[in-house]
Amino acid sequence: DQQVKQNSPSLSVQEGRISILNCDYTNSMFDYFLWYKKYPAEGPTFLISISSIKDKNEDGRFTVFLNKSAKHLSLHIVPSQPGDSAVYFCAASEAGNTPLVFGKGTRLSVIA
Amino acid sequence: GAVVSQHPSRVICKSGTSVKIECRSLDFQATTMFWYRQFPKQSLMLMATSNEGSKATYEQGVEKDKFLINHASLTLSTLTVTSAHPEDSSFYICSARDPRRANDSPLHFGNGTRLTVT
Repeated sequence: DQQVKQNSPSLSVQEGRISILNCDYTNSMFDYFLWYKKYPAEGPTFLISISSIKDKNEDGRFTVFLNKSAKHLSLHIVPSQPGDSAVYFCAASEAGNTPLVFGKGTRLSVIA
Repeated sequence: GAVVSQHPSRVICKSGTSVKIECRSLDFQATTMFWYRQFPKQSLMLMATSNEGSKATYEQGVEKDKFLINHASLTLSTLTVTSAHPEDSSFYICSARDPRRANDSPLHFGNGTRLTVT
């Protein structure tokens, strides 16, 4: 049973526009949420995170929104750049030094 | 920032042989490391939690006798795939948290090991 779901396997966006990647979760014990970027044959690279006590966290072009009541989070990238093309994984963890649970990923293609 | 190094990045072995993958935390000590596996176009799935000085904790469905984990020091965890079979071919990735940061901090991942069993 998937605890973290990314229902869109792929997304294509024009350069300069906004990319919105979505993620849903089912485990109400999750209290820390993250987005990772991954290229083939490489480990995931941390992008941005949000604690369950917040509903928004912004870092440059990246913003993560958390809606706890809906168990939904999203990653906004604006403006999108061709270098953002990669697979983006949503992940979540419970409190403490616990492992991350990953979604299946969304492949983002930013077209110049 | 915190760096996790993994070696080798790629290995090809024959069926029935064993392969050892090393994971090192380069600028921090990690009492706990997490090993993941990713099959093509799939998610990263947690295999086991490696604990320094004690036995690893394996996820359901992961054979502990096949995937031997040794966390002998605070900076090194190893995963040995014993008697490898073609179905073990996958991308193995280790990760750890920097203990100098709060527990709700990101996991830092190694660059992964692509294992191909022929």
